[in-house]
Amino acid sequence: DTAVSQTPKYLVTQMGNDKSIKCEQNLGHDTMYWYKQDSKKFLKIMFSYNNKELIINETVPNRFSPKSPDKAHLNLHINSLELGDSAVYFCASSQETAGLARTGELFFGEGSRLTVL
Amino acid sequence: QKEVEQNSGPLSVPEGAIASLNCTYSDRGSQSFFWYRQYSGKSPELIMFIYSNGDKEDGRFTAQLNKASQYVSLLIRDSQPSDSATYLCAVRGYNQGGKLIFGQGTELSVKP
Repeated sequence: DTAVSQTPKYLVTQMGNDKSIKCEQNLGHDTMYWYKQDSKKFLKIMFSYNNKELIINETVPNRFSPKSPDKAHLNLHINSLELGDSAVYFCASSQETAGLARTGELFFGEGSRLTVL
Repeated sequence: QKEVEQNSGPLSVPEGAIASLNCTYSDRGSQSFFWYRQYSGKSPELIMFIYSNGDKEDGRFTAQLNKASQYVSLLIRDSQPSDSATYLCAVRGYNQGGKLIFGQGTELSVKP
């Protein structure tokens, strides 16, 4: 069983379109994340949810809207896609102990490679 | 100044040698330090974490942390071609909601 699964793995679309990526984890973790990895391999956090509550919202255009229907799922919807949105988007999860930042290995999904033409 | 900095490489070492990967970070309040390995086209996977100053060994891997110098390193002994990958240093501050800040990664190539 895949611990963190994302769909789709590949997305090729035209500028201006809207697309969604879905993520599910079966690890029982309480925190989920979206990271963006650009062509230079730089991995940057976008959003984080803890038990369906948004706790991290980095400086990301409003065109990106995350949604967590429950603690095992975190989706990412992108409106009006632009060329610069082309990247690999990784979903990740961790088990965070409240108030402690020392624990919490990130478990990553396989990534969703988005290409905007 | 970037929050977490690594030399992008590529770092090339012969098989059997020691590979040394370095990382510096800017936030003195950082509490936890992680090394992830990412093979080409794959997702990052954790190989080491360290919280306290000093060395931490796990098999062929040793993580070293010096909080005064804001420096963390990863040593890979007896490097193997299968160690060829990008190594990502990640740092987490206190009460940042679990946010890991990654460096840009160092590409390691181990030549047979």
